[in-house]
Amino acid sequence: AQKITQTQPGMFVQEKEAVTLDCTYDTSDPSYGLFWYKQPSSGEMIFLIYQGSYDQQNATEGRYSLNFQKARKSANLVISASQLGDSAMYFCAMREGYGTNAGKSTFGDGTTLTVKP
Amino acid sequence: DAGITQSPRYKITETGRQVTLMCHQTWSHSYMFWYRQDLGHGLRLIYYSAAADITDKGEVPDGYVVSRSKTENFPLTLESATRSQTSVYFCASSESAGGRYEQYFGPGTRLTVT
Repeated sequence: AQKITQTQPGMFVQEKEAVTLDCTYDTSDPSYGLFWYKQPSSGEMIFLIYQGSYDQQNATEGRYSLNFQKARKSANLVISASQLGDSAMYFCAMREGYGTNAGKSTFGDGTTLTVKP
Repeated sequence: DAGITQSPRYKITETGRQVTLMCHQTWSHSYMFWYRQDLGHGLRLIYYSAAADITDKGEVPDGYVVSRSKTENFPLTLESATRSQTSVYFCASSESAGGRYEQYFGPGTRLTVT
């Protein structure tokens, strides 16, 4: 079974509108972390936001927020006020494990977001 | 240069040749990773390292070898390149910043095996 599922291969949003990118995860570990990364067409991978499994509040970083619903095992990325520069592929990832595995993450297949002017 | 660098950025090689991709980070991060990204897809973990001299296999290790004698370097070697290893290879590093372990990626190496 996939550990990270991103069900939207592609999404479109109008400039200045908000958009939600879906991510569900599967783990039996009580301690884990969830990440979102952005990959523009130039190819680099950029860390956006992090949510720990024990964090009480949803993470926010500027226009990015993570809608963390632990019971549903979902960690959706919300981008507010979309800009043309937000057009990119977005990856959800999860870290779990301990010891030498603590830093290892599993990535989803990604969602391509296109912002329309 | 500060950060994480990869070399070469582009490489064309022939089937059967040995190829080494280099990765260097200046942050002294404990963890380092090698991923491959095939066209239009996500990242698949090849190998990772939790510290110097500690390495372990990821999801797709066959045909690859790694070493980590120094914290800052994590080279990836394709022992005998095959066309199926044509891909973009990303190196990343990570450290426990309050238990977060977010990863910071190099610019990638685009490898073509002919």
